[in-house]
Amino acid sequence: QVQLVQSGAEVKKPGASVRVSCKTSGYTFTVHHIHWVRQAPGQGLEWMGWIDPKTTDSSYSPNFRGRLTLTTDTSMSTAYMQLSRLRSDDTAVYYCARAIGMVLLDNWGQGALVTVSS
Amino acid sequence: QSALTQPRSVSGSLGQSVTISCTGTSSDVGGYNYVSWYQEHPGKAPKVIIYDVTKRPSGVPDRFSGSKSGNTASLTISGLQAEDEADYYCCSYAGTYDVFGTGTEVTVL
Repeated sequence: QVQLVQSGAEVKKPGASVRVSCKTSGYTFTVHHIHWVRQAPGQGLEWMGWIDPKTTDSSYSPNFRGRLTLTTDTSMSTAYMQLSRLRSDDTAVYYCARAIGMVLLDNWGQGALVTVSS
Repeated sequence: QSALTQPRSVSGSLGQSVTISCTGTSSDVGGYNYVSWYQEHPGKAPKVIIYDVTKRPSGVPDRFSGSKSGNTASLTISGLQAEDEADYYCCSYAGTYDVFGTGTEVTVL
């Protein structure tokens, strides 16, 4: 079955960077885009960006441009999200999700909590 | 990039119907027939229940339905069940990016 397994929780200081991984299995990695979505404590979902594992084309939310980098390793069927210049309001659970259509995210990772604190 | 506007909360009794609105602009909801709805239970990852405005993925009960008029999409839950108590988010394609709604908490009385 399709699975997306994310890396574990991280604690970072303001100004640092964080990289979250998303290892996929159960399907052909290069066929579907991977999206990243985050959710701050007690808040709603926020779309961050997507990457096409086949072409490495990507699109980022204007809210993150300049700080967000999405990459993939097709040999490992793994996607990565790197967020730089972290601030306290970046504290959130970060999800990866497989897209099988436009805004159709059918399988999600378990989420990775990133805490930004001095 | 602004989030789509949803009511903060809606409630209904068991068996009743509730409708959640999702208001955007002509650049997102009104411009494309690509609106999805996600159900999120506490501590769980979101689950898609409606896509392409009106379509239901396999396994989603038919009491969930979607529609759109102009810049506003809607999710209707007919015959509310206890397990429908959750947070609901709309999501729309907006050209070069996607955008979620602010989220609606559904309470079953």
